[in-house]
Amino acid sequence: SQQGEEDPQALSIQEGENATMNCSYKTSINNLQWYRQNSGRGLVHLILIRSNEREKHSGRLRVTLDTSKKSSSLLITASRAADTASYFCATAPIQGAQKLVFGQGTRLTINP
Amino acid sequence: DAGITQSPRHKVTETGTPVTLRCHQTENHRYMYWYRQDPGHGLRLIHYSYGVKDTDKGEVSDGYSVSRSKTEDFLLTLESATSSQTSVYFCAISEKTSYQETQYFGPGTRLLVL
Repeated sequence: SQQGEEDPQALSIQEGENATMNCSYKTSINNLQWYRQNSGRGLVHLILIRSNEREKHSGRLRVTLDTSKKSSSLLITASRAADTASYFCATAPIQGAQKLVFGQGTRLTINP
Repeated sequence: DAGITQSPRHKVTETGTPVTLRCHQTENHRYMYWYRQDPGHGLRLIHYSYGVKDTDKGEVSDGYSVSRSKTEDFLLTLESATSSQTSVYFCAISEKTSYQETQYFGPGTRLLVL
């Protein structure tokens, strides 16, 4: 079964607004990663946050991690039409960190 | 795309026939992975490899076998394809740097089993 569960499953916002996606997981992790997938393409790595980190930034992306609540959030600021994609969280277990477990994804649509 | 290619990109086959998908990488990464992606399930790990001739099962390995005889190639075989194996298959490699396990994905193979 999928460890990561994303919320919401779909999100539609206007260009320029901020988009927030959430990910919850069940077991202890080594790290948590976020990926983007454009329609019909492979996944692209966005950002990785370690279990001992609480917040990380990369450009317009901000990721938070709350290990006590077993949850993470991805914030995309000042959204653009090109941000339209599906976003997946993936958790790396403590044992066998290379065996990522992906959530079902959030479909983000940015309306011009 | 981190030098990852997959072949074929599209395949239609019939139930009961064997199918082999190939993943090729050009950068000598140690770890290679095969995932399947289905609506409502996200990506699920089928098998992965941590070196030549070293492989291990993932979450959904039943009905699949893999082989890695060279660093650059990781093959996924469906011994006798079933309709439930209709899916999009992604290969990935990982760069291991300290505690980081970032994965890079190939373009995918769409498989339809009739």
